[in-house]
Amino acid sequence: AQSVSQHNHHVILSEAASLELGCNYSYGGTVNLFWYVQYPGQHLQLLLKYFSGDPLVKGIKGFEAEFIKSKFSFNLRKPSVQWSDTAEYFCAVIPISSGSARQLTFGSGTQLTVLP
Amino acid sequence: DAMVIQNPRYQVTQFGKPVTLSCSQTLNHNVMYWYQQKSSQAPKLLFHYYDKDFNNEADTPDNFQSRRPNTSFCFLDIRSPGLGDAAMYLCATSGRDRRKTQHFGDGTRLSIL
Repeated sequence: AQSVSQHNHHVILSEAASLELGCNYSYGGTVNLFWYVQYPGQHLQLLLKYFSGDPLVKGIKGFEAEFIKSKFSFNLRKPSVQWSDTAEYFCAVIPISSGSARQLTFGSGTQLTVLP
Repeated sequence: DAMVIQNPRYQVTQFGKPVTLSCSQTLNHNVMYWYQQKSSQAPKLLFHYYDKDFNNEADTPDNFQSRRPNTSFCFLDIRSPGLGDAAMYLCATSGRDRRKTQHFGDGTRLSIL
């Protein structure tokens, strides 16, 4: 079964600092990759996704992520964070190889706190 | 706006008293999922319906059941809630291709007295 690791449980940054959240997955086959964000009191929202093509994907609100297949990584980045980016961020993976279980597996999440 | 709606947002029940959580969707998606999310943990898939086909995860307790009477609605029934079942329950939907994006509701936070 696949697994997803988010090594940073809680990240605290000041406004305008750069952000990088790590995500690694363990699965030998082809996967679709997602970053979801959960703002306080709100539902999980899709931030960005990677299915195929250019491994550098851009999402909403200035976020981007880079898929590095050789490292099984899909790290999330933002050049300059804002106070409104305070939220919990979840990396998620779903295998797409034939015969694989179509189960979306989440990482344990990273709580980002941006100080004004 | 098309969306996934969960009711209620907060549910309190007594130990052992059956409880039902509801989810509806206006996306006309084929697949509906139920996840359990405990504090500071990743959402954990309980089961999903692909149209009328029910798919239970191997480690989902027998205490948890689900019903999908039509495309729009899906229910999570907890027959005899224990203290360990206190959690946020998330409903999500996706289109026919389950490899693609899932859309989540706001969740129902369940407390057990």
